[in-house]
Amino acid sequence: AQKVTQAQTEISVVEKEDVTLDCVYETRDTTYYLFWYKQPPSGELVFLIRRNSFDEQNEISGRYSWNFQKSTSSFNFTITASQVVDSAVYFCALGGKETSGSRLTFGEGTQLTVNP
Amino acid sequence: KAGVTQTPRYLIKTRGQQVTLSCSPISGHRSVSWYQQTPGQGLQFLFEYFSETQRNKGNFPGRFSGRQFSNSRSEMNVSTLELGDSALYLCASSAGGVSQETQYFGPGTRLLVL
Repeated sequence: AQKVTQAQTEISVVEKEDVTLDCVYETRDTTYYLFWYKQPPSGELVFLIRRNSFDEQNEISGRYSWNFQKSTSSFNFTITASQVVDSAVYFCALGGKETSGSRLTFGEGTQLTVNP
Repeated sequence: KAGVTQTPRYLIKTRGQQVTLSCSPISGHRSVSWYQQTPGQGLQFLFEYFSETQRNKGNFPGRFSGRQFSNSRSEMNVSTLELGDSALYLCASSAGGVSQETQYFGPGTRLLVL
């Protein structure tokens, strides 16, 4: 069965610090997809990034960067120079043929608080 | 392009009642998935509809049901409400192809069962 683990329940940083959110996954699929979503207090899940299992190239988008390593089954997310507006719950999610269709398996989420 | 919309945004019901939630996907998207989010269980998949057919189902009792209309709009229904059904119900839409595509979520419906 698919499983996603976000070991960090809560992280608190001061504005402008860099912060990395960890995500470890388990799947029997050879083709699978990984996602990061952000959930601000309003409740809506906001899509951040999608990666497929064939693409291990790490990506940087503005202050965000992602580190995908198949060898360790990890898909970590880093925010550089954090801002108060980054405060939210961040979810890592996994999808693939093991569960079929569009079903996503989510991690428990990491509550990030950025203090001014 | 308009995002995923969900109605109503808030609901208060009492035990034993039933409730219907509605979701309108992004224009052109044919797949709609529903998730339940609670503090104790986190985000859990309920079911997915594609072209008016249920394509996937999570581990929820039969009190939870859904349907999809020809315009891809979807509804989910919960009958005989229990206190534990209090949750944020999120709807997500995607194009619905064979591969795992990005799902875009709506703002959710917060259901409180008293």
